[in-house]
Amino acid sequence: AQKITQTQPGMFVQEKEAVTLDCTYDTSDPSYGLFWYKQPSSGEMIFLIYQGSYDQQNATEGRYSLNFQKARKSANLVISASQLGDSAMYFCAMSLRGDTGRRALTFGSGTRLQVQP
Amino acid sequence: NAGVTQTPKFQVLKTGQSMTLQCAQDMNHEYMSWYRQDPGMGLRLIHYSVGAGITDQGEVPNGYNVSRSTTEDFPLRLLSAAPSQTSVYFCASSYSMAGTGELFFGEGSRLTVL
Repeated sequence: AQKITQTQPGMFVQEKEAVTLDCTYDTSDPSYGLFWYKQPSSGEMIFLIYQGSYDQQNATEGRYSLNFQKARKSANLVISASQLGDSAMYFCAMSLRGDTGRRALTFGSGTRLQVQP
Repeated sequence: NAGVTQTPKFQVLKTGQSMTLQCAQDMNHEYMSWYRQDPGMGLRLIHYSVGAGITDQGEVPNGYNVSRSTTEDFPLRLLSAAPSQTSVYFCASSYSMAGTGELFFGEGSRLTVL
């Protein structure tokens, strides 16, 4: 079965330090996309970063980078220089082809990050 | 820019009642989807659509119906509400799932079934 796993229910980090949120996935499809979304306490979903399965370099967006290790099937999110506003739920997601061949986005269970002053 | 608009934002139903959650997007996106999020959990895919007239089931489709008669609208119907359907529902759309496929989310609809 294709699935996506986040094993850290909660994480703490000190302000200005870096933090890594883990994500592993399982698929036999060679073509897929990996995403990270942020959900603050207000509830909206905010897109952070994308990595394609054929991309040779790790994706970066400002303070966010995706540590893509294809052989290990991991797509960890690294947040550098944490800020208090980074406190939120973080979801890893993967776009996969379903039984019909059409793609959909499947989410992991999330990691709650708390940044401490 | 309106983006993805969901209505209603809050709804209370009694067991057995039916209702429709509306979702509309004005970005000419081909891909639309519905997710539910239970407390402390991730988003689970209910149904999705890659274009008008095409719908597919996600992880948790039972108890829900969808249709896609236009590119803009993707309503989610609860046929006979059950307490287990108490959740926050998100509609999301994307230009395409084939590429970067960033999803644009609505603000969510909080449904309580008594």
